[in-house]
Amino acid sequence: AQKITQTQPGMFVQEKEAVTLDCTYDTSDPSYGLFWYKQPSSGEMIFLIYQGSYDQQNATEGRYSLNFQKARKSANLVISASQLGDSAMYFCAMREGNTGGFKTIFGAGTRLFVKA
Amino acid sequence: EADIYQTPRYLVIGTGKKITLECSQTMGHDKMYWYQQDPGMELHLIHYSYGVNSTEKGDLSSESTVSRIRTEHFPLTLESARPSHTSQYLCATSLAGSRETQYFGPGTRLLVL
Repeated sequence: AQKITQTQPGMFVQEKEAVTLDCTYDTSDPSYGLFWYKQPSSGEMIFLIYQGSYDQQNATEGRYSLNFQKARKSANLVISASQLGDSAMYFCAMREGNTGGFKTIFGAGTRLFVKA
Repeated sequence: EADIYQTPRYLVIGTGKKITLECSQTMGHDKMYWYQQDPGMELHLIHYSYGVNSTEKGDLSSESTVSRIRTEHFPLTLESARPSHTSQYLCATSLAGSRETQYFGPGTRLLVL
């Protein structure tokens, strides 16, 4: 069964507008971490933002914020004021378990296109 | 400023050749990983290591092998390259702890003819 689901293969957004990239996850572990990564066409994976399952507040990092809805098991990435450089693949990922856990599971990704 | 280095960045090689993809890190992280990723597709874990002299196979069956003799070095070897090995290979590291955020190297793009 898919543990990380990203239902949007591709998304378009106008420059300077906000965009939400969807991610749902499935786990029975009460302790887990959620991550978002950006992968430009150059290929490297860039860590963007982290949300822990026990965190009370939604994570924010600059223009990135994570809309964490625990009951719905969703962890959507919100990018505000989109820039042309935001055009890339975006991957949602989850690590189950507390200390000692090693496996991070990645979703299939969403390709974001920012239009000028 | 790169803390995770991968060489070569690009490699074109013929079928049957033995190749080693290098990964080294200066982050002091104990855990290291190798992922295989086809263009625009999801990542598949092929090998990981908890620390020196610790290596395990990942979820994706792979004909490659790895070694971890030093904390900072985690090379991946293909004894006999095949066209099906054509892909991007990403090395990552993490520090044991509550988050274990993985940080990635720039990747190696391999083309086997």
